[in-house]
Amino acid sequence: SQKIEQNSEALNIQEGKTATLTCNYTNYSPAYLQWYRQDPGRGPVFLLLIRENEKEKRKERLKVTFDTTLKQSLFHITASQPADSATYLCAPHGGNTDKLIFGTGTRLQVFP
Amino acid sequence: DSGVTQTPKHLITATGQRVTLRCSPRSGDLSVYWYQQSLDQGLQFLIQYYNGEERAKGNILERFSAQQFPDLHSELNLSSLELGDSALYFCASSLGASGPYEQYFGPGTRLTVT
Repeated sequence: SQKIEQNSEALNIQEGKTATLTCNYTNYSPAYLQWYRQDPGRGPVFLLLIRENEKEKRKERLKVTFDTTLKQSLFHITASQPADSATYLCAPHGGNTDKLIFGTGTRLQVFP
Repeated sequence: DSGVTQTPKHLITATGQRVTLRCSPRSGDLSVYWYQQSLDQGLQFLIQYYNGEERAKGNILERFSAQQFPDLHSELNLSSLELGDSALYFCASSLGASGPYEQYFGPGTRLTVT
């Protein structure tokens, strides 16, 4: 069955460092992969979308990579700030699935 | 502000009851999605409507149903409620039915079943 794996353990990093979050998927052949940010009790907020023919995408301090051979996406936040503390969700879709299925997310904690 | 509105914000009801959650999509969006998020689970996709028609279905229980009206707002009906139905219910909207369309989420409705 289709499976999306994100590190369920929280990632704690110091302000100013680069945070790297991992999203692995199995039994998917997604054409796109999206990343969202979710704060406690609030709806997810769209951050970035990357297509299968794009290796890398950037937006300000955010960078996403998409390796269809490894079936993996990496999400980087450079120069992290305490305000970046949140849960980050990945969602592969398209290809052999129309549905946007979310991973369980990784909680990022940036401390001063 | 995503432009997606959901009402009510909070709902407290008893087991066995029926409730209706309402969602208005962002202006111009034709797709509406419903998700359930419990404390111990991630965001679970329930159902998607596109321009009034059911487009995709997730693990939606038979006790739950939804529809999208001509003005594109959507309602999620939950009946014979059980304690385990207590969760945050999110509505999201997007421009298209599938493809590279990001979803815009509403603030959610927190349902508590007692």
